[in-house]
Amino acid sequence: EPEVTQTPSHQVTQMGQEVILRCVPISNHLYFYWYRQILGQKVEFLVSFYNNEISEKSEIFDDQFSVERPDGSNFTLKIRSTKLEDSAMYFCASSSDRESYNEQFFGPGTRLTVL
Amino acid sequence: AQSVAQPEDQVNVAEGNPLTVKCTYSVSGNPYLFWYVQYPNRGLQFLLKYITGDNLVKGSYGFEAEFNKSQTSFHLKKPSALVSDSALYFCAVSRTTSGTYKYIFGTGTRLKVLA
Repeated sequence: EPEVTQTPSHQVTQMGQEVILRCVPISNHLYFYWYRQILGQKVEFLVSFYNNEISEKSEIFDDQFSVERPDGSNFTLKIRSTKLEDSAMYFCASSSDRESYNEQFFGPGTRLTVL
Repeated sequence: AQSVAQPEDQVNVAEGNPLTVKCTYSVSGNPYLFWYVQYPNRGLQFLLKYITGDNLVKGSYGFEAEFNKSQTSFHLKKPSALVSDSALYFCAVSRTTSGTYKYIFGTGTRLKVLA
């Protein structure tokens, strides 16, 4: 069964450093998403991406964040200058279409720890 | 504002007993509602969804959920719990803006099934 994969599973970085979180969505999916979950809190939407551009972003997704689909398979989330409050689990998701009644498929997440 | 509430942080149930994990929602218009499960070190896995039609929805692993419009609830149920059902469960509502959709998640409920 196809699945979304994410690397690394755990990333530790120093405050102010840049990090890139990587995701490989399901191969025939066209819509991509990033969510995050701060420890003990709810899963929050960050950004959606389609046709090589951002479709929607939340207020969390400020200028420090960017997303990219550098090739036909990877989907990345970059945080330019990490802050302590960026420590969270980051989930990538993909879906085959834009219909809101179709489910998204999630990866296992990357735990980001900012020291 | 759209929101999803899971009033219980944790639910304990004995193996073989029925289980219920509660979810209520507050959205405008017709809701598209989802349940996901998260096992340790795994991504969010889709269980079931309500789009329209029959208020009782059946999903994976013997789970079902009952949509109740008057109570704005979408409780997850299983007639006979297994120890392997122990996991973190998330309720979500799908909202569409800007041509794509995103999930609004509840805070999650940890289900512990005791042998």
